[in-house]
Amino acid sequence: QQPVQSPQAVILREGEDAVINCSSSKALYSVHWYRQKHGEAPVFLMILLKGGEQKGHEKISASFNEKKQQSSLYLTASQLSYSGTYFCGTGVVASYDKVIFGPGTSLSVIP
Amino acid sequence: ETGVTQTPRHLVMGMTNKKSLKCEQHLGHNAMYWYKQSAKKPLELMFVYNFKEQTENNSVPSRFSPECPNSSHLFLHLHTLQPEDSALYLCASSQDKGITYEQYFGPGTRLTVT
Repeated sequence: QQPVQSPQAVILREGEDAVINCSSSKALYSVHWYRQKHGEAPVFLMILLKGGEQKGHEKISASFNEKKQQSSLYLTASQLSYSGTYFCGTGVVASYDKVIFGPGTSLSVIP
Repeated sequence: ETGVTQTPRHLVMGMTNKKSLKCEQHLGHNAMYWYKQSAKKPLELMFVYNFKEQTENNSVPSRFSPECPNSSHLFLHLHTLQPEDSALYLCASSQDKGITYEQYFGPGTRLTVT
């Protein structure tokens, strides 16, 4: 079952913050976050595993609430280079091999 | 550069043609994947290989035929495609199969079926 992402699209000015949410109807073991710039390959940002840990990557961090079956990606003090489509991928407990990707959130950072 | 290369980057083919997409990973990974990315749709997993063995076929039509001769190379053979098969085809690799391993994607092959 495909995870749901919100919002579908967001426009930010440089320096503003954003939150992208990813939720699933199934029990999650892992949540993956990727960013894809136009015409390029998706690039791995971080992975969160069951246990509710929060991770950080420069000014981009994420949380994983396994009880709510959701994850949030936090982008703080956004830069122009953050523009792209952000995908979450979910690993479901019952399907150990397969990561299912969400539809993506388009993020545009403008000067 | 993610360590995963794909050729060709662009391909236009007729519905009766036969062509192949190639993927190579230089990361020493054991698992390789084919994904289809269509406009306005999420990434769709097509095939998974682990140690050269196919472990997942996500109900993909037989006109798509994967081949994995070794852990570093993955091919997707195309035959009698339909216009709706036009999409970006992405290859990815990970240390091992499973939901706890990050995937590294290649740049993709933009396929147009005429």
